[in-house]
Amino acid sequence: AQSVTQLGSHVSVSEGALVLLRCNYSSSVPPYLFWYVQYPNQGLQLLLKYTTGATLVKGINGFEAEFKKSETSFHLTKPSAHMSDAAEYFCAVSDRFGNEKLTFGTGTRLTIIP
Amino acid sequence: NAGVTQTPKFQVLKTGQSMTLQCAQDMNHEYMSWYRQDPGMGLRLIHYSVGAGITDQGEVPNGYNVSRSTTEDFPLRLLSAAPSQTSVYFCASSSQYEQYFGPGTRLTVT
Repeated sequence: AQSVTQLGSHVSVSEGALVLLRCNYSSSVPPYLFWYVQYPNQGLQLLLKYTTGATLVKGINGFEAEFKKSETSFHLTKPSAHMSDAAEYFCAVSDRFGNEKLTFGTGTRLTIIP
Repeated sequence: NAGVTQTPKFQVLKTGQSMTLQCAQDMNHEYMSWYRQDPGMGLRLIHYSVGAGITDQGEVPNGYNVSRSTTEDFPLRLLSAAPSQTSVYFCASSSQYEQYFGPGTRLTVT
């Protein structure tokens, strides 16, 4: 069984400051890991994904995440927050090939302070 | 290319009523799934399908039925709605390594 833990249901950062959203996973097999973003009253959009290869993954809108197997983590970062980054962010893990049975974390709502 | 479409966008039901949430995709994806989203709980998988004629249960299947007669469509049926089924429902279809989500259906059961 897989699980995802997102530390902090709400995170607030100032505009221009570093964004760090934490995600830890549990998986009995090598995981495929994902970050999704959800803007108000919309569906989910893929930010980035880790499948194999390079452990530092770059995504859209300046976000990146690093897969650390020893720490079972996949934290999401962005060097400089923009007002448009305000949204809810979900970390997810997949057990096969990245396209089946995603298990989501409970989400982190990011607020940007002007 | 519309991606994943869902209808209706909003629905209010009375306890005991039945309804079908529609989901369609035009990307020829084999894998489709239904999730429900509740505050503080993230998204939970209800049912999924790996191709026409093949469906299976996810984490929270009770109270929901699905079928997959075509690659394009994957409807979700509530046979007897309960207040606990008040939620936002998302349909998704998947190519390798990426799931595409529909805009969601907000369902309220009174």
